[in-house]
Amino acid sequence: GAVVSQHPSWVICKSGTSVKIECRSLDFQATTMFWYRQFPKQSLMLMATSNEGSKATYEQGVEKDKFLINHASLTLSTLTVTSAHPEDSSFYICSATEGGLYEQYFGPGTRLTVT
Amino acid sequence: QKEVEQNSGPLSVPEGAIASLNCTYSDRVSQSFFWYRQYSGKSPELIMSIYSNGDKEDGRFTAQLNKASQYVSLLIRDSQPSDSATYLCAVALSGGYQKVTFGTGTKLQVIP
Repeated sequence: GAVVSQHPSWVICKSGTSVKIECRSLDFQATTMFWYRQFPKQSLMLMATSNEGSKATYEQGVEKDKFLINHASLTLSTLTVTSAHPEDSSFYICSATEGGLYEQYFGPGTRLTVT
Repeated sequence: QKEVEQNSGPLSVPEGAIASLNCTYSDRVSQSFFWYRQYSGKSPELIMSIYSNGDKEDGRFTAQLNKASQYVSLLIRDSQPSDSATYLCAVALSGGYQKVTFGTGTKLQVIP
């Protein structure tokens, strides 16, 4: 149980274009989803928290107009990186929790490379 | 003081030994604690949750919690080379709306 999928697993895009990453909970209803970014050999950095049907809450320093998050249903959240630049190249990972629980289940991650 | 602190390592142990990973946290009212394992290039995987003082065992893994000392640890018995990974401690801090705070992780190397 508690499986989270992400799509795509990797993507290469050109500078200035937008990329959408999907995160799905496959066998549970994800009341809360989280988006993280991780640079090589660094720790996880929380970008934002989203609840189904509500606007996402962004962490300090994360540009909400650049990283658009939509938690459209209890099983799907999307992250859109708009006008991507090479410095946005990173490993993006989503996670989800069920009900009022704190256990986060992570998707496999999406490796984004902006050229 | 960081909210969740871990020694970055690497912690090197021989195969078959017990690996002991430690974590301290700053918020006295934290109630939920987690250990995640992250292999290089992969996403984190939940391996243990602990909520009450004392020990919790699951296979070769034992989590230990001491709320008075604000300390949580993970013991891995009979360490295997496949246990080589970074271990992340995560703490649900008060008022976090299900958000947890991750430590920076301890890299474990199990030497065959």
